[in-house]
Amino acid sequence: SAVISQKPSRDICQRGTSLTIQCQVDSQVTMMFWYRQQPGQSLTLIATANQGSEATYESGFVIDKFPISRPNLTFSTLTVSNMSPEDSSIYLCSVKGARDEKLFFGSGTQLSVL
Amino acid sequence: AQTVTQSQPEMSVQEAETVTLSCTYDTSESNYYLFWYKQPPSRQMILVIRQEAYKQQNATENRFSVNFQKAAKSFSLKISDSQLGDTAMYFCAFMKHRNAGNMLTFGGGTRLMVKP
Repeated sequence: SAVISQKPSRDICQRGTSLTIQCQVDSQVTMMFWYRQQPGQSLTLIATANQGSEATYESGFVIDKFPISRPNLTFSTLTVSNMSPEDSSIYLCSVKGARDEKLFFGSGTQLSVL
Repeated sequence: AQTVTQSQPEMSVQEAETVTLSCTYDTSESNYYLFWYKQPPSRQMILVIRQEAYKQQNATENRFSVNFQKAAKSFSLKISDSQLGDTAMYFCAFMKHRNAGNMLTFGGGTRLMVKP
């Protein structure tokens, strides 16, 4: 399994500001995924981040709102830009295990926007 | 596109008893993976069990087992000897074969309460 460290674990932010969430993995991984979990809802994929290339965004998510960096094979960041209360959610990063088709998750970032 | 449906928003079970959570999915893929994840109040998504669609044998992990019916596109989770620590949200998830990417499509979740 992969050990994933995600920071911050929670934050309360003002409308119009931006927050960058960090995801650090203890091993090199090709693909990293960012998910959003709105209050009381299931998880929705925001984007897939490959090292050395632009992230691939799912329908309904755009790079200007959720820019992603992937500078190396163990690290990625997701920024939530120009936040509004509707962005209040849990954001989770995920990676695929090295040996098989299992996805592991970070502990999530609980974001509240006032 | 794939869809995953969990028809039971909430369930409860007495400690030490058995409970089954339902999941159905829709896909045109023939080769794929199915998962059950547990999310306790800590928010951590914990992988409970995984099933490969090309395997007929149902996966088991200690007290957790699945009933995988490929033709019916059904993937239920059975929890035996339920424990208080099993209280959590449970999500069923679908993933295409590795060559088609590794993103997960999740069901809406089932909130399970284990009662003492």
